[in-house]
Amino acid sequence: GAGVSQTPSNKVTEKGKYVELRCDPISGHTALYWYRQSLGQGPEFLIYFQGTGAADDSGLPNDRFFAVRPEGSVSTLKIQRTERGDSAVYLCASSPGSRELFFGEGSRLTVL
Amino acid sequence: DQQVKQNSPSLSVQEGRISILNCDYTNSMFDYFLWYKKYPAEGPTFLISISSIKDKNEDGRFTVFLNKSAKHLSLHIVPSQPGDSAVYFCAASARGDYKLSFGAGTTVTVRA
Repeated sequence: GAGVSQTPSNKVTEKGKYVELRCDPISGHTALYWYRQSLGQGPEFLIYFQGTGAADDSGLPNDRFFAVRPEGSVSTLKIQRTERGDSAVYLCASSPGSRELFFGEGSRLTVL
Repeated sequence: DQQVKQNSPSLSVQEGRISILNCDYTNSMFDYFLWYKKYPAEGPTFLISISSIKDKNEDGRFTVFLNKSAKHLSLHIVPSQPGDSAVYFCAASARGDYKLSFGAGTTVTVRA
């Protein structure tokens, strides 16, 4: 497809488990972002990649959250020891270097 | 610390009338502003943007106005159509920092 693809679209897990969320950006987009959206709130910045490196990870809430983009394309957001408060929609966006971001449909994470 | 604020959580407007959505920001370093539209179970889609060197930008039925001295922007939709029913997010970024800060969103309902 031509847009940002995120998998899984829905993930239900138990407290304490490990979760991986995948993002496939628009082909050719060098910048990739992860955001988190909780109910009734706007998207909240987590981390930004330019190429393979994390240019800004200031939004990651704690060291349970980690993201990689090893080949400068697909990215994986990893959450260890999940907590109920991690339940949210995790949005990935990519950009060709402009200031407009193109978002995927998100991965809805529910931690029971 | 919420740097972008949308103080109206919802707006109901009759089809054909004007919708006016408001947004305030606190960070004087913001120089680029965007509006995104979001349907349920979809990711946000870019709608319109404005640079701080302008005070108005128009694209079809959508116009964004920027008042830098008041740190305020607004989105006008005229005429409103049923397909405009969605959540609208205001977002901003600072020069040299491509990550976006989002408001909490305004849910627009266009009544037939």
